[in-house]
Amino acid sequence: AQSVAQPEDQVNVAEGNPLTVKCTYSVSGNPYLFWYVQYPNRGLQFLLKYITGDNLVKGSYGFEAEFNKSQTSFHLKKPSALVSDSALYFCAVRDGPSSASKIIFGSGTRLSIRP
Amino acid sequence: DADVTQTPRNRITKTGKRIMLECSQTKGHDRMYWYRQDPGLGLRLIYYSFDVKDINKGEISDGYSVSRQAQAKFSLSLESAIPNQTALYFCATSDPGTGLTGELFFGEGSRLTVL
Repeated sequence: AQSVAQPEDQVNVAEGNPLTVKCTYSVSGNPYLFWYVQYPNRGLQFLLKYITGDNLVKGSYGFEAEFNKSQTSFHLKKPSALVSDSALYFCAVRDGPSSASKIIFGSGTRLSIRP
Repeated sequence: DADVTQTPRNRITKTGKRIMLECSQTKGHDRMYWYRQDPGLGLRLIYYSFDVKDINKGEISDGYSVSRQAQAKFSLSLESAIPNQTALYFCATSDPGTGLTGELFFGEGSRLTVL
């Protein structure tokens, strides 16, 4: 079965420093990978996706993600963190190759940016 | 106005009571989903519907039922609520026209507490 794992429950970064939120995946076939963000008391919002093509995917709010097939990873990155980036981040994957497939979420990583 | 609206946003109820969470959307999407969020467990799929006549169980459907009243409306019911159904519930939609590359659009969530 397709799955994603987020090995860190929490990541703490100082404002202005680069940040990385880790995600590894397990899929058969081509992976369709996503990152979502959840701000306090809000629903999840789509950040970016990897379907095919360039391994570096750019998304909303200055975030990007690096797809690494050999390491089966899809880490979320930002060169310079902002306090407003503090939120809960979810990695997700399609659970199959058909259009009827569903999106499966990781357990989430809480990102805390200190001023 | 939000594209995906959930009501109620907060609800406290007692064990054994019947509860309905409602979701309506103005995005015109055929596909609708109900997820449950628990700390450390991420989002887990309860039920999903790809059109008005299509209802499918997700990974944790026991104790829940759904109704797709129209393309725009998808309700989740707890026939006899129990305390371990205390959670944050999210409705989401997606556009089947985007196939595997499409993302989910979430409501703001319904926080349910079962005493």
